[in-house]
Amino acid sequence: EMQLVESGGGLVQPGGSLKLSCAASGFTFSDSVIYWVRQASGKGLEWVGRIRNKANNYAPGYADSLKGRFTISRDESKNTAYLQMNSLKTEDSAIYYCSRSTEVMPFGMDVWGQGTTVTVSS
Amino acid sequence: QSALTQPPSASGSPGQSVTISCTGTSSDVGAYNYVSWYQQHPGKAPKLMIYDLSKRPSGVPDRFSGSKSGNTASLTVSGLQAEDEADYYCTSYAGNNNLVFGGGTKLTVL
Repeated sequence: EMQLVESGGGLVQPGGSLKLSCAASGFTFSDSVIYWVRQASGKGLEWVGRIRNKANNYAPGYADSLKGRFTISRDESKNTAYLQMNSLKTEDSAIYYCSRSTEVMPFGMDVWGQGTTVTVSS
Repeated sequence: QSALTQPPSASGSPGQSVTISCTGTSSDVGAYNYVSWYQQHPGKAPKLMIYDLSKRPSGVPDRFSGSKSGNTASLTVSGLQAEDEADYYCTSYAGNNNLVFGGGTKLTVL
């Protein structure tokens, strides 16, 4: 079974940092592009960023509004992707999902995790 | 990156068809055939329903179809069923390794 499992969410103070993890299983992680998408409570989905696969030099891409604060990385040996979030703001509070796409559907995210909740509050 | 524009709500009776629009610009929807649609039930993760404008992943009923005209993509759900009631989101590639989401449409089956 193809699966993504997020972890690392929690309560953090404004200005703080948090690193989320996305562990993959059941598919070839190295061939996949990994996305991060977030959803504030009662709101819509928002693209955070993505990291491409080895064939595409692990190139990252980010939503313009988040550039400079968020960094996506991946560890092929652990089949895990990460989202490093710095200088967190209250408006970053959301459920953070990771998902993946493949060369067959380069922008279609066909596997999603269950999400991890980040709360930024003092 | 501006969000794609979707109507906040749509509705239809069982068996009817409903179409949800997703309007972007010549830099995203109009420029690429990389439009995807996602279904999200309350408290659940999104599910891919359409990718590359009109392709269905394995397991998605053929009642779901996608199309595009100019800068506007559309998702049509035919033969509405109760379980189709959910939020629907469109996305489009916007160039330079960027993606953009629509604001979402709540579909109600009357």
